[in-house]
Amino acid sequence: DIQMTQSPSSLSAFVGDRVTITCRSSQSISSYLVWYQHKQGKAPKVLIYGASSLQSGVPSRFSGSGSGTDFTLTISSLQPEDFATYYCQQSHSIPWTFGQGTKVEIK
Amino acid sequence: QVQLVQSGAEVRKPGSSVKVSCKASGGTFSNYGVSWVRQAPGQGLEWMGRIIPIIGIANYAQKFQGRVTIAADKSTSTAYMEVRGLTSEDTAVYYCAREFNAGVTIPGSWFDPWGQGSLVTVSS
Repeated sequence: DIQMTQSPSSLSAFVGDRVTITCRSSQSISSYLVWYQHKQGKAPKVLIYGASSLQSGVPSRFSGSGSGTDFTLTISSLQPEDFATYYCQQSHSIPWTFGQGTKVEIK
Repeated sequence: QVQLVQSGAEVRKPGSSVKVSCKASGGTFSNYGVSWVRQAPGQGLEWMGRIIPIIGIANYAQKFQGRVTIAADKSTSTAYMEVRGLTSEDTAVYYCAREFNAGVTIPGSWFDPWGQGSLVTVSS
């Protein structure tokens, strides 16, 4: 199975800050990487697919980069509605696997 | 626009089974797969398995192999996930999600849309 490791596990930031979350896979997954945002009591929402493609309707302050084993999700200017938990997920091979999540909290 | 509508919350006793349904509303699953993902209290997202309804083939995470069965009824565009031998560690919100892909232009697939989630509580 492909293991996905995110860092940090949590972070605190101010509104307006630039936030970066990293995700590393245990083996190369090319660009088969997806980022989700998950808020309490709601279903997860896809932000980025194919490592860097922005899902329709997702604000442009979200961006993704990387390929192979190292990936990054960046929020260019954190907004109040962005406080949530973020997960990466590999779609290279079954079993699909998620990172452990990064909780973004308000400072 | 396809929406996935899941069955309601369930309470079960340890050792029993639960079956959760996921119906595609406003469309069908088409050729896409349907995955099941769960989130236990205080934990992250965990992929359990998937089925491709059009061909009826299911895959499972090793952890759930033999204890979970995923099935689909093409005629009603409904997927099902049954967990047997429940323990308190199976208390979680269970989600279904369609495995969407954009064909050859974008690598891989992603989960979109998701069902609203079904809370399963296992308690004596």
